[in-house]
Amino acid sequence: AQSVTQLDSQVPVFEEAPVELRCNYSSSVSVYLFWYVQYPNQGLQLLLKYLSGSTLVKGINGFEAEFNKSQTSFHLRKPSVHISDTAEYFCAVKEETSGSRLTFGEGTQLTVNP
Amino acid sequence: DGGITQSPKYLFRKEGQNVTLSCEQNLNHDAMYWYRQDPGQGLRLIYYSQIVNDFQKGDIAEGYSVSREKKESFPLTVTSAQKNPTAFYLCASSVPLGWGYTFGSGTRLTVV
Repeated sequence: AQSVTQLDSQVPVFEEAPVELRCNYSSSVSVYLFWYVQYPNQGLQLLLKYLSGSTLVKGINGFEAEFNKSQTSFHLRKPSVHISDTAEYFCAVKEETSGSRLTFGEGTQLTVNP
Repeated sequence: DGGITQSPKYLFRKEGQNVTLSCEQNLNHDAMYWYRQDPGQGLRLIYYSQIVNDFQKGDIAEGYSVSREKKESFPLTVTSAQKNPTAFYLCASSVPLGWGYTFGSGTRLTVV
């Protein structure tokens, strides 16, 4: 069965610094990978997704992620963060054979300080 | 614009009462999901439905019930059997074999 581990529950950074949020997954079959963002008291918004093709995926708000099959990772990066990036970020995985159901990680709270 | 509407945004319930959370979508998605979110625990799947008149239990279905009589609607009832119902509840939808979910804005349920 698929599983997702987000390696950091909290990541504090200063404004304009680069950030990396780490995500590892476990699956025995091909997967699709997603990153979502959640602002306080709101639903989740899709940041980016990897389905196939280029392993470097660009998303909204300047975020990008790289799929590494050998390391079973899908880390999220941004070269320069803003205060407005403060939110919780969720990594999710869907196995190719599992219908439409996603499995989510436990989330990483990104806090950007001035 | 298409989307998912959850109502109400905030809900208070007395212990021992059942309460129903609404989720409506106009995206023409076949699959719908209910998740519960607690601090530090991520999203946990309660129930999901891949097609009208059919639904399956997720990982934490005890104390909850659902129905799927229409494609657009997937209401969740939190029953008195749910021992710790205070949480943030999220509804989502997707197409079959779809490329991710669309989420509603959530309902925060508090038991008083």
